[in-house]
Amino acid sequence: GDSVTQMEGPVTLSEEACLTINCTYTATGYPSLFWYVQYPGEGLQLLLKATKADDKGSNKGFEATYRKETTSFHLEKGSVQVSDSAVYFCALSPMLYSSASKIIFGSGTRLSIRP
Amino acid sequence: NAGVTQTPKFQVLKTGQSMTLQCAQDMNHEYMSWYRQDPGMGLRLIHYSVGAGITDQGEVPNGYNVSRSTTEDFPLRLLSAAPSQTSVYFCASSYNEKLFFGSGTQLSVL
Repeated sequence: GDSVTQMEGPVTLSEEACLTINCTYTATGYPSLFWYVQYPGEGLQLLLKATKADDKGSNKGFEATYRKETTSFHLEKGSVQVSDSAVYFCALSPMLYSSASKIIFGSGTRLSIRP
Repeated sequence: NAGVTQTPKFQVLKTGQSMTLQCAQDMNHEYMSWYRQDPGMGLRLIHYSVGAGITDQGEVPNGYNVSRSTTEDFPLRLLSAAPSQTSVYFCASSYNEKLFFGSGTQLSVL
């Protein structure tokens, strides 16, 4: 079945360091891909999305490119800030406009940024 | 704009007790859902609803009941709490594949 695998945390970086959080997926169709972020004490919120191969999603300095050939959707940021400390979830929806009940989440990666 | 509102934020139960987690949204979304979040396991879907009067089971429905009498409200009931139900619970609504989450309920069952 469809699944999402993301790198285990925690990931600890110094402020202004470069960030990559790896995410790979398995899907039989043409999924949409998402990154959600969970700040301490809050629910998840959508960070960015991509709906087809080679699409790049971006928001708040974060980027992720939908790579069909490597079945990956790695999250990147060139210079992280303390305020980026959060848990990041990679997710997929099996096909465009699937019911949200079909969205599959990875296990989450905790990111901590040192001042 | 309140979005998705969950109550309570924290709850401690004894084994066998029952309770209802409340969830309300003001965005007029047809789709609503409940997830549980456990360490190292991401989010797992408990139950969901595609509209008033319609509910269905997700990945981990056992021990939980839901109903959807209005578009706005989607309560989650634990009929007889068990320690395995200790978790963080999130309610969400959805529009165009985008999920909008509440701030969560941290539940401990002793």
